Amino acid sequence: AQSVTQPDARVTVSEGASLQLRCKYSYSATPYLFWYVQYPRQGLQLLLKYYSGDPVVQGVNSFEAEFSKSNSSFHLQKASVHWSDSAVYFCALSMSNYNVLYFGSGTKLTVEP
Amino acid sequence: EAAVTQSPRNKVAVTGGKVTLSCNQTNNHNNMYWYRQDTGHGLRLIHYSYGAGSTEKGDIPDGYKASRPSQENFSLILELATPSQTSVYFCASGDQAGINQAPLFGEGTRLSVL
Repeated sequence: AQSVTQPDARVTVSEGASLQLRCKYSYSATPYLFWYVQYPRQGLQLLLKYYSGDPVVQGVNSFEAEFSKSNSSFHLQKASVHWSDSAVYFCALSMSNYNVLYFGSGTKLTVEP
Repeated sequence: EAAVTQSPRNKVAVTGGKVTLSCNQTNNHNNMYWYRQDTGHGLRLIHYSYGAGSTEKGDIPDGYKASRPSQENFSLILELATPSQTSVYFCASGDQAGINQAPLFGEGTRLSVL
């Protein structure tokens, strides 16, 4: 069975600080991995995705994520956060079947001025 | 522009009543999905579809039915709504698994069952 774990329900950082949001997955093969962002009262927007190749993948708005097969992780990073990055971030995985996504429980990011 | 549109955006229903949530996509995607979002659970898959006429059960299908009458439309039906079905529901559309495809999500429907 597959699963996604986001161990931090809430993260608070200061504006301009660096950020890492953690994601661990469980799946017997290499999954497709995604990070989505959800702003208040909105749907989910794709930040970035990964399947193979360079383990560091670039996304929108200067976000990047690093895949580690040995650690079964796909952590999201940003060098310098802005107040507008405050949102809920979801890590998700998909196997090869029809893009069904399995989500973690999400991490609520608050960026303080 | 690719889009997934859900209606209604907000719904208040009574216990035991029938509720239909609608989703329309203009992306020509084969696959569509219904998820519900609850605090602490992330998004959980209720039903999905490979194309017109097909529906498949997801991880939490009990109490829900789905209907895919056309490529563009996918409905979620609560025949006998219960307070435990109070949640935010998201529809998404996507195509065959592949790195160039990632499901697109609608804005969500906020359902309260009283």
